[in-house]
Amino acid sequence: SAVISQKPSRDICQRGTSLTIQCQVDSQVTMMFWYRQQPGQSLTLIATANQGSEATYESGFVIDKFPISRPNLTFSTLTVSNMSPEDSSIYLCSVATGGSDQPQHFGDGTRLSIL
Amino acid sequence: KQEVTQIPAALSVPEGENLVLNCSFTDSAIYNLQWFRQDPGKGLTSLLLIQSSQREQTSGRLNASLDKSSGRSTLYIAASQPGDSATYLCAVKDDYKLSFGAGTTVTVRA
Repeated sequence: SAVISQKPSRDICQRGTSLTIQCQVDSQVTMMFWYRQQPGQSLTLIATANQGSEATYESGFVIDKFPISRPNLTFSTLTVSNMSPEDSSIYLCSVATGGSDQPQHFGDGTRLSIL
Repeated sequence: KQEVTQIPAALSVPEGENLVLNCSFTDSAIYNLQWFRQDPGKGLTSLLLIQSSQREQTSGRLNASLDKSSGRSTLYIAASQPGDSATYLCAVKDDYKLSFGAGTTVTVRA
C-alpha cells in the first residue's frame, strides 16, 4: 500500500491566520482526498484533489476557505484560511491507488488547534 | 445521502473475549465497505475491504461480513488482546466517496 506523509503533524495557530498542510505519497496515485475529523466526530470529506485542475468540493466546503493544490500525482496541499476556533480538527489526506475495488489509505493526519 | 451508523459507540471487554462491532448504512448501492482502526492521536489503518459482491472477508483474527440488501456489516475480532484497544470505523464507498460512521471505541482490559 502507498506510504502517505503529512506535514505538519500538529500545529497551534492564532485565529485569522492560514496554514498549509502538505501531503506526499511515495507512488503515483489516481485520486487524493482531504478529510476533516472534528473533535469527537467522524470523518467528513472536504474535497477531491484533482491533478491539473481545480479541486471538487463537497457541500458545505468552499475553495476560498480550503484552497487545494495538486501539482502532480504524488503531492497535494490543503490550506485552511482565516482560521477560527471552529476549524480546530484533525485534517487527513487520503489516497486511492486504483479502481473502486481497491482500499483507500490515510495519512497520520494534522492536528490543528486554533486559539 | 448515505448515513452510516455504528453501534455500540463504546465497548469494554476482558482480554480473550470475542468482539462484535456493528455497522449499518442506509443506501445499499455501494461499491465496497472498508473497516479501519484509529489509535489515539493517529491516522487510520485499513483493516479489511469487502467488495459489494462479497459476503465476508477474513484477515487473521479479524472477520468482516456484509449483507448489502439489509445494509449491515459486522466486524468480529476473535480472542481480543489489550493491543486491540482503539476506535474502529466503518466506511462505505459509493462512486468515489467514503462515508464514515462515528466509530466504536474498544477497550480490552488485561
